Amino acid sequence: EDKVVQSPLSLVVHEGDTVTLNCSYEVTNFRSLLWYKQEKKAPTFLFMLTSSGIEKKSGRLSSILDKKELFSILNITATQTGDSAVYLCAVETGGTSYGKLTFGQGTILTVHP
Amino acid sequence: DGGITQSPKYLFRKEGQNVTLSCEQNLNHDAMYWYRQDPGQGLRLIYYSQIVNDFQKGDIAEGYSVSREKKESFPLTVTSAQKNPTAFYLCASSKFPGQGLYNEQFFGPGTRLTVL
Repeated sequence: EDKVVQSPLSLVVHEGDTVTLNCSYEVTNFRSLLWYKQEKKAPTFLFMLTSSGIEKKSGRLSSILDKKELFSILNITATQTGDSAVYLCAVETGGTSYGKLTFGQGTILTVHP
Repeated sequence: DGGITQSPKYLFRKEGQNVTLSCEQNLNHDAMYWYRQDPGQGLRLIYYSQIVNDFQKGDIAEGYSVSREKKESFPLTVTSAQKNPTAFYLCASSKFPGQGLYNEQFFGPGTRLTVL
């Protein structure tokens, strides 16, 4: 059974802090790893990682994938209150035409002013 | 504006009643998905459809049914057979995740279903 585990489950920081969120996985037929940010409603796409060791960046957010050790990290530098959200990690698998997404439990990030 | 819409935002249902959640997309995506989210848990796949008139069960399909008569629409019915239906339901869509494409899914705003 495919498994995706995120840690920590929740995190409370103050504005300006740097945080690292972890995502480890055990799956068959890995295709890609995705990070989403979920504020009250719809998860919004952050990154898709397919190759090991290549960092993806978007402003203060960055992510990297290690396919040998089967994990990914999401870094947020200089956190702001607007970064407060649930961060979801999902792994896409599938050797055929369908790429199934298996989600982790999510990390609840709270940023205090 | 391209996107995914779900209605209603909030839904209340009495035990024993069936209820249908709407999901529409105008992104011209081939594939559509239904997920369930419970507090402290990630998203779990209920059903998915890769093309019109075809759909497959996900990990937790029992007590749910779907149809895919049009490319834009993928309604989910929560039946009285679903033992614990109170949850947040998310619909998603993606381009057909084959032929070298990765399965980047786009989500709707969700429907919160409460069974009284």
